[in-house]
Amino acid sequence: DVKVTQSSRYLVKRTGEKVFLECVQDMDHENMFWYRQDPGLGLRLIYFSYDVKMKEKGDIPEGYSVSREKKERFSLILESASTNQTSMYLCASKGVLNLAFFGQGTRLTVV
Amino acid sequence: GDSVTQMEGPVTLSEEAFLTINCTYTATGYPSLFWYVQYPGEGLQLLLKATKADDKGSNKGFEATYRKETTSFHLEKGSVQVSDSAVYFCALSDQAEGTALIFGKGTTLSVSS
Repeated sequence: DVKVTQSSRYLVKRTGEKVFLECVQDMDHENMFWYRQDPGLGLRLIYFSYDVKMKEKGDIPEGYSVSREKKERFSLILESASTNQTSMYLCASKGVLNLAFFGQGTRLTVV
Repeated sequence: GDSVTQMEGPVTLSEEAFLTINCTYTATGYPSLFWYVQYPGEGLQLLLKATKADDKGSNKGFEATYRKETTSFHLEKGSVQVSDSAVYFCALSDQAEGTALIFGKGTTLSVSS
């Protein structure tokens, strides 16, 4: 079975902290994505990566950065967490036939 | 840019009722179309897909047909179950490599017995 694994299901962080959300896929996919999900807003793309060390901004990159040092791992970094970054974060990877597979999500609360 | 519009919820149905969730899209090319489902507390799972006009995707009793002339990909199920209660997302992806999926805002379905 294909698998996308996010390192945490739930996180609570303090305002101003640097936060790392990790995502690992085992499907040898080129493309990986980070979305955030908020009620009434659906899924919004933060960043994506189409190859190792390559990244592209999505619709809402402000306050975030990403790292992709290895093909299987794509990290989302909140440089200085703020309360408006409290959200559900979803990682996905995409391979052939444009099929995307999602992790279970990380619910982040910034206090 | 490309976009997806789906009907707003919540949709509340009784068990065995017929379900339709409308989805329309705007795209410059010929995208692939998808329906994803999210059960409470979970990530998204692929429900079905279609890659070209007139293709019908189907899975678990759900169906959707890629209609290029109406730019639509409506989700249907003949008889819903309580276990179908979830959030449903319509999405598109350009056929080119290295492009992201674009999602609608999601439709919450609640089925009661």
